[in-house]
Amino acid sequence: EAGVAQSPRYKIIEKRQSVAFWCNPISGHATLYWYQQILGQGPKLLIQFQNNGVVDDSQLPKDRFSAERLKGVDSTLKIQPAKLEDSAVYLCASSSRIQGNSEAFFGQGTRLTVV
Amino acid sequence: AQSVTQLDSHVSVSEGTPVLLRCNYSSSYSPSLFWYVQHPNKGLQLLLKYTSAATLVKGINGFEAEFKKSETSFHLTKPSAHMSDAAEYFCVVSVRPSGGSYIPTFGRGTSLIVHP
Repeated sequence: EAGVAQSPRYKIIEKRQSVAFWCNPISGHATLYWYQQILGQGPKLLIQFQNNGVVDDSQLPKDRFSAERLKGVDSTLKIQPAKLEDSAVYLCASSSRIQGNSEAFFGQGTRLTVV
Repeated sequence: AQSVTQLDSHVSVSEGTPVLLRCNYSSSYSPSLFWYVQHPNKGLQLLLKYTSAATLVKGINGFEAEFKKSETSFHLTKPSAHMSDAAEYFCVVSVRPSGGSYIPTFGRGTSLIVHP
């Protein structure tokens, strides 16, 4: 079974530029998550999708961050314009909706550096 | 709402001695609980999970954790530390509000340092 795929692995941009990250979840997983992990902290949930609908985006800075999952499969997370404090690892995860199957599977992450 | 408290930001042990990483949680729903490990510049790897079956859970690399509902704890232990265990460890609580999707919430992490 293929895992969660993310690209790119690394990205360096200047502040005020825009950037996009891509995630392809495990086949058949209806739930997709984007997390932000700042150095030295635990991952923080930014947004959660159920198929192509948003379940929770309460911690997404909507003035600069956006995410979509148009066909209910892969997803993109965009930052526009980027700030220095957006430097972090962005993790994508997916899980099944089956009752009792609560494990989320994580991708390798995209390390963003804003200079 | 749910939350996770990892009581120690750093734990330092000598190789061959026991490891104890502490985790307490709060949840309005029956939780699933997980421990993940993250080595430098690597992705998150699942160590073990509790999903309402046996309260003592065995994971990979000799780790285990015990779910104690009365104490709302899920501490991670290993009898004998190895140098390769040095990493960041995350406790995660995941709940499923009625009819909804699972929502994993992470603790802040505990850095395990292993001395020769």
